[in-house]
Amino acid sequence: GAVVSQHPSRVICKSGTSVKIECRSLDFQATTMFWYRQFPKKSLMLMATSNEGSKATYEQGVEKDKFLINHASLTLSTLTVTSAHPEDSSFYICSASALKRTVKFFGPGTRLTVL
Amino acid sequence: DAKTTQPPSMDCAEGRAANLPCNHSTISGNEYVYWYRQIHSQGPQYIIHGLKNNETNEMASLIITEDRKSSTLILPHATLRDTAVYYCIVRVAGTDKLIFGTGTRLQVFP
Repeated sequence: GAVVSQHPSRVICKSGTSVKIECRSLDFQATTMFWYRQFPKKSLMLMATSNEGSKATYEQGVEKDKFLINHASLTLSTLTVTSAHPEDSSFYICSASALKRTVKFFGPGTRLTVL
Repeated sequence: DAKTTQPPSMDCAEGRAANLPCNHSTISGNEYVYWYRQIHSQGPQYIIHGLKNNETNEMASLIITEDRKSSTLILPHATLRDTAVYYCIVRVAGTDKLIFGTGTRLQVFP
């Protein structure tokens, strides 16, 4: 299947700092990518849809100023957690699908720990 | 949105077939059923998807009932490495979004 990568795989930061997470589609182009977060022993929760060349659309209850998304190219979307707090500690996962393909592939996830 | 219902957990002996059920009674005619699994601390892994017909690939088989209100994922010869949470998902109608439910935690034992 298609490969989606994320960087970094894990990050620890101090409260109040901002953290950027990258999601790349390695062998295909994706006009749309999706960001999820997952708390321990819980299911994935969709946060937002990242659209190449336009603004992201956020799910209800997700603060767009808190979670900044940029999708500057057909192979890269970034999620920036601004002014991170301990409650933002979570597993962040992205997904993408090739143009006109229905199957979405997921990245390996980024574990964020905010101290 | 079509919602799915899965049993929270199942056990399966190694080497036996694992049959994971999923109910999606509100599915509409053009919505696909997708199956993913997530091994601890990893991103979800695509398994299989289908619309109306049964499907088979190198990982699993997907059996969809004629009324499309339920489906079963079959792992023909479960191994210990198949221990994971299995998610049955119906894509949100008119969108490209996949909304995850709570899934089934499959435990394969020796």
